[in-house]
Amino acid sequence: EAQVTQNPRYLITVTGKKLTVTCSQNMNHEYMSWYRQDPGLGLRQIYYSMNVEVTDKGDVPEGYKVSRKEKRNFPLILESPSPNQTSLYFCASRSGDFDTEAFFGQGTRLTVV
Amino acid sequence: GENVEQHPSTLSVQEGDSAVIKCTYSDSASNYFPWYKQELGKRPQLIIDIRSNVGEKKDQRIAVTLNKTAKHFSLHITETQPEDSAVYFCATGGTGGFKTIFGAGTRLFVKA
Repeated sequence: EAQVTQNPRYLITVTGKKLTVTCSQNMNHEYMSWYRQDPGLGLRQIYYSMNVEVTDKGDVPEGYKVSRKEKRNFPLILESPSPNQTSLYFCASRSGDFDTEAFFGQGTRLTVV
Repeated sequence: GENVEQHPSTLSVQEGDSAVIKCTYSDSASNYFPWYKQELGKRPQLIIDIRSNVGEKKDQRIAVTLNKTAKHFSLHITETQPEDSAVYFCATGGTGGFKTIFGAGTRLFVKA
């Protein structure tokens, strides 16, 4: 089954404790992105990747890092999480350029206390 | 910077009525306009999209219209059903960029 898989689904952590949210897709998609969803703000892009070893900042990259060492994986790293990073996070992948459907992961609800 | 404004933020309709959600965008280079539906606790999923060489597209009870001159596009849902209750996001994309910019979302309630 074609899918985007994120882990974990839920995470509660403390300020400053490094964490990684994993994202994996099995559709051989070149393009992958991370979004955060906050009430009243919709989905805001954090980082995106056009291919292996090629990444760029989205609209809200501060406090986040990503890597794309393999085509299927695109982990999101929070080196020193803060309470304002409490949010619902979605990974997404696309097969082609801007005008192709984005397939989303199940979401990761992160709480930083 | 580029942005997408979506209205209304909340919409409540009676089952069987129509629902219309509108979005305006600022980047004239945008030429792809998808709509995503997010049910409670679920991931967003594409329900319909339109490209700038088309003014209207229909798929059963849902339709999208695009006015490139005015930079706005709309989602129309006819004969609404309770299972249409969800959050709907409009978005834009354009050539030369990898960004998809989303609106803030519309929470649609369909009352039985």
